[in-house]
Amino acid sequence: NAGVTQTPKFQVLKTGQSMTLQCAQDMNHEYMSWYRQDPGMGLRLIHYSVGAGITDQGEVPNGYNVSRSTTEDFPLRLLSAAPSQTSVYFCASRGGDSFTGELFFGEGSRLTVL
Amino acid sequence: AQTVTQSQPEMSVQEAETVTLSCTYDTSESDYYLFWYKQPPSRQMILVIRQEAYKQQNATENRFSVNFQKAAKSFSLKISDSQLGDAAMYFCAYRSFSTGTASKLTFGTGTRLQVTL
Repeated sequence: NAGVTQTPKFQVLKTGQSMTLQCAQDMNHEYMSWYRQDPGMGLRLIHYSVGAGITDQGEVPNGYNVSRSTTEDFPLRLLSAAPSQTSVYFCASRGGDSFTGELFFGEGSRLTVL
Repeated sequence: AQTVTQSQPEMSVQEAETVTLSCTYDTSESDYYLFWYKQPPSRQMILVIRQEAYKQQNATENRFSVNFQKAAKSFSLKISDSQLGDAAMYFCAYRSFSTGTASKLTFGTGTRLQVTL
């Protein structure tokens, strides 16, 4: 099993450009989420999904869109990139019946917005 | 809202020695989970250890153990016999027990651990 796969691992954008960060998991997990990691701030939740067709906002959702058309995939879209969105992004998933709460993380995507 | 505080931005330990990383949290809930995650230079977040708040016994995983003080809202991580591979950023995290699959992890700001020869 590959676990949680994120692409791309690195991306440089210009202000105003759009892009999609891809996330796929092969563990049949119901719960998927996106976090951003910034120096001195830990990880903050952007959006999450508890199943196909269901998404909701986290702590810092502004500037980001998500959709969940399949159990496996949970892409994160930046509609008009801003320098404040320069960060490392992590996708994470968890089994819906797992009350241990363990999240499985992807390897992260480093995004730079110029 | 819950908050997680890691007051040590950086720590250093000599190989084979023991080090303790501190974490405090604030919550009004009685049931919850606490976690320590390790993030090596590869960026991959790896679960080190978890603790259920309703369990009084401190969790242990090989060289890693926690000191969970529920009344003090403290959750420190002890690494024994430190190895070079333990060098990483360590994050403490909190998850509510009561909100099911929609609940999120609240992370601290991390402690960078250096391991020296």
